[in-house]
Amino acid sequence: GAGVSQTPSNKVTEKGKYVELRCDPISGHTALYWYRQSLGQGPEFLIYFQGTGAADDSGLPNDRFFAVRPEGSVSTLKIQRTERGDSAVYLCASSWGIYNEQFFGPGTRLTVL
Amino acid sequence: GQQLNQSPQSMFIQEGEDVSMNCTSSSIFNTWLWYKQDPGEGPVLLIALYKAGELTSNGRLTAQFGITRKDSFLNISASIPSDVGIYFCAGPSPGGGSEKLVFGKGTKLTVNP
Repeated sequence: GAGVSQTPSNKVTEKGKYVELRCDPISGHTALYWYRQSLGQGPEFLIYFQGTGAADDSGLPNDRFFAVRPEGSVSTLKIQRTERGDSAVYLCASSWGIYNEQFFGPGTRLTVL
Repeated sequence: GQQLNQSPQSMFIQEGEDVSMNCTSSSIFNTWLWYKQDPGEGPVLLIALYKAGELTSNGRLTAQFGITRKDSFLNISASIPSDVGIYFCAGPSPGGGSEKLVFGKGTKLTVNP
């Protein structure tokens, strides 16, 4: 596809479970970002990758959150021992480089019951 | 963390009316970005501003980079129903690098036909 894609579009899980959220960036984009958007708020930065490495993970709220991008393309955001407060829309964005426009995907809506 | 204050929070207007919204910060920004988010979608970049005092248009949209570098304004002229959505201001986190965007809480626009 032409844009950033994210799967699943919706994820409902129970408190304490483990979830994985996937992001497929625009082909050729080297930079990939994860943001979290709570209801009524703007997106909040979590982590970004330049290539395969996490260049800045300062936005991850705690050590239950982890993200990988092993081949420099697809990225997975992993959340362990989910809590109700983790419920939000998780947005992924990609760009040609870190100083270029970030293109956002449609997000994954995570609901923790 | 860094905050961008957007106002108004919401607007209800009639089709054909002009709209103004603004964004302020306690810190200086070197870039101001305006995004629009439709329900179930990620934010889409509308206008980017890179220089204090800059006035940039994109169709019926006009945005300005405040001369103090602590504020920005977005105007929409002759609104139409498809202008409905949430408008966010954003900018690279001051001191955090261009890759970490900070977003305001958004202005929700409703256009009555």
